[in-house]
Amino acid sequence: NAGVIQTPRHKVTGKGQEATLWCEPISGHSAVFWYRQTIVQGLEFLTYFRNQAPIDDSGMPKERFSAQMPNQSHSTLKIQSTQPQDSAVYLCASSLAGSQNTLYFGAGTRLSVL
Amino acid sequence: GDKVKQSPSALSLQEGTNSALRCNFSIAATTVQWFLQNPRGSLMNLFYLVPGTKENGRLKSAFDSKESYSTLHIRDAQLEDSGTYFCAAEGGGRALIFGTGTTVSVSP
Repeated sequence: NAGVIQTPRHKVTGKGQEATLWCEPISGHSAVFWYRQTIVQGLEFLTYFRNQAPIDDSGMPKERFSAQMPNQSHSTLKIQSTQPQDSAVYLCASSLAGSQNTLYFGAGTRLSVL
Repeated sequence: GDKVKQSPSALSLQEGTNSALRCNFSIAATTVQWFLQNPRGSLMNLFYLVPGTKENGRLKSAFDSKESYSTLHIRDAQLEDSGTYFCAAEGGGRALIFGTGTTVSVSP
């Protein structure tokens, strides 16, 4: 079991460019979560899928951010027209069935917007 | 406001000593999870709790849903216990809400 895999580990983009972050959940897990971590805001919830369907995207910024889960083996978080304030560590987690099960986190993608 | 408040924000321990971390919730939490983030940034799950207590080695955690708090006790602290501890609460099947963390530094 390789755990939750996130790629890339580091991404540097210029202001205004697009960034796509990838997450591969643990095999057999049906729930995938995206969080963002910064020094100032701490760990912020972004969005949550169960069985590939979006369940809660209440933490997603309404503009420029989107997430998808096209199949059970991966999810993507896309940020359009990146801004310096999007710089953060983006963390993906998976669990067997939802937030009422143990969450396992990936190592994160550190996004730096110059 | 802060739905999950952790205290203290930082803690310095000497090897071999004991300490306790606490989370207070302003949401109706039904389950709680505790994580340790190591200096490289990896978040490791320590406990998943329904109301009650669990113990794992030198760590013990309790969750009281009626009084809306959870504690994590570290016994006989070791250098490898250093890192940032996060609690997170879930209520009604919604996504986990994280506290602001307690940074623990263990020194020889």
